[in-house]
Amino acid sequence: NAGVTQTPKFQVLKTGQSMTLQCAQDMNHEYMSWYRQDPGMGLRLIHYSVGAGITDQGEVPNGYNVSRSTTEDFPLRLLSAAPSQTSVYFCASRRLATGELFFGEGSRLTVL
Amino acid sequence: DQQVKQNSPSLSVQEGRISILNCDYTNSMFDYFLWYKKYPAEGPTFLISISSIKDKNEDGRFTVFLNKSAKHLSLHIVPSQPGDSAVYFCAASEGTGANNLFFGTGTRLTVIP
Repeated sequence: NAGVTQTPKFQVLKTGQSMTLQCAQDMNHEYMSWYRQDPGMGLRLIHYSVGAGITDQGEVPNGYNVSRSTTEDFPLRLLSAAPSQTSVYFCASRRLATGELFFGEGSRLTVL
Repeated sequence: DQQVKQNSPSLSVQEGRISILNCDYTNSMFDYFLWYKKYPAEGPTFLISISSIKDKNEDGRFTVFLNKSAKHLSLHIVPSQPGDSAVYFCAASEGTGANNLFFGTGTRLTVIP
């Protein structure tokens, strides 16, 4: 049972570099989202999608792009990484009508 | 501004005793609440939820209590076990299908054998 799979698990970037965090789910969930976890801040929503072709911003969207071309995949792109984006990133998915989110294992990103 | 608050960063409890984790919220529109458990190097996993039409929900050793007038909820774990040692996050939303789930900062529970 794969559930929600995130890659890579660890990444170190230099300021200004770009990268994509990958997220895939095999539960046929309509809703997918990206959160970041920072010390003293809890988890905060970056972007979310309610289906293929539909995305929207969460609480902290600046500096991130997303797309949803398939039900299964929801990549998160950092176009020009900044030290403030050093964080642990979690992808999560759920059925549209339910509240229970299923999370991936997380991706730890360090921007130098 | 944090809409969901967990004011205790950590809690230590003896094995077999009760663990009580607390959570406060400020948004009166929140009507669905969840608790997640997180082990190191893993993603959060769903533990238990409650909607505002109830004031209590039980699932085995875990019970969540909701006090809407005080905008307060708590998670009781009885009896506590060493495997319960983890970070617990409280979360809230406006409805079960809301697009944004607001999380607290977490409480690290340590159950001492």
